[in-house]
Amino acid sequence: KAGVTQTPRYLIKTRGQQVTLSCSPISGHRSVSWYQQTPGQGLQFLFEYFSETQRNKGNFPGRFSGRQFSNSRSEMNVSTLELGDSALYLCASSSTNTEAFFGQGTRLTVV
Amino acid sequence: AQKVTQAQTEISVVEKEDVTLDCVYETRDTTYYLFWYKQPPSGELVFLIRRNSFDEQNEISGRYSWNFQKSTSSFNFTITASQVVDSAVYFCALSDLTYNFNKFYFGSGTKLNVKP
Repeated sequence: KAGVTQTPRYLIKTRGQQVTLSCSPISGHRSVSWYQQTPGQGLQFLFEYFSETQRNKGNFPGRFSGRQFSNSRSEMNVSTLELGDSALYLCASSSTNTEAFFGQGTRLTVV
Repeated sequence: AQKVTQAQTEISVVEKEDVTLDCVYETRDTTYYLFWYKQPPSGELVFLIRRNSFDEQNEISGRYSWNFQKSTSSFNFTITASQVVDSAVYFCALSDLTYNFNKFYFGSGTKLNVKP
């Protein structure tokens, strides 16, 4: 069974640009959530999607957005990038009553 | 508010030593889930264990064991006879009772260095 796939693995962007990250969950999993990991703030919840609907949202500015498609694949977008957005972005998928399975993450560097 | 505290930032041990990673949590919910995840250098979080708030039974899985005590709001993790491959960052996490446990409150992590 394939795991959670995140693309790209590494990304370098310039301040002010926007970026889109992709997450393909495990087949059959309908819930996808996103986390930001930084040395200073640790792992922080961004948002969660279930059946194309955002069910939960963390405490991040509106520059951070996401969506989920009918095949459960999810994308997150960050607009007007700031240096502080440099982080490892992790995606997790789960089915009902299971633990969350994480991808290897996308490491975003903003210069 | 939900909060998870891992007071040990980094621990170094020599192979074959036992090591315990501490986790203290705060929640007002009576029903919740606790987790431990391992993060190797490759980045992904690897699931180790899930425990619900009604099950205080300790668990052992090979060299790993977990001690859950609601009275002290702690969920500690012990590795017996540590190995170099155990070197990683370990995260304790708390989840509300949602449909699928997919919103976690993570501790800051404990980096474990196991030296040969």
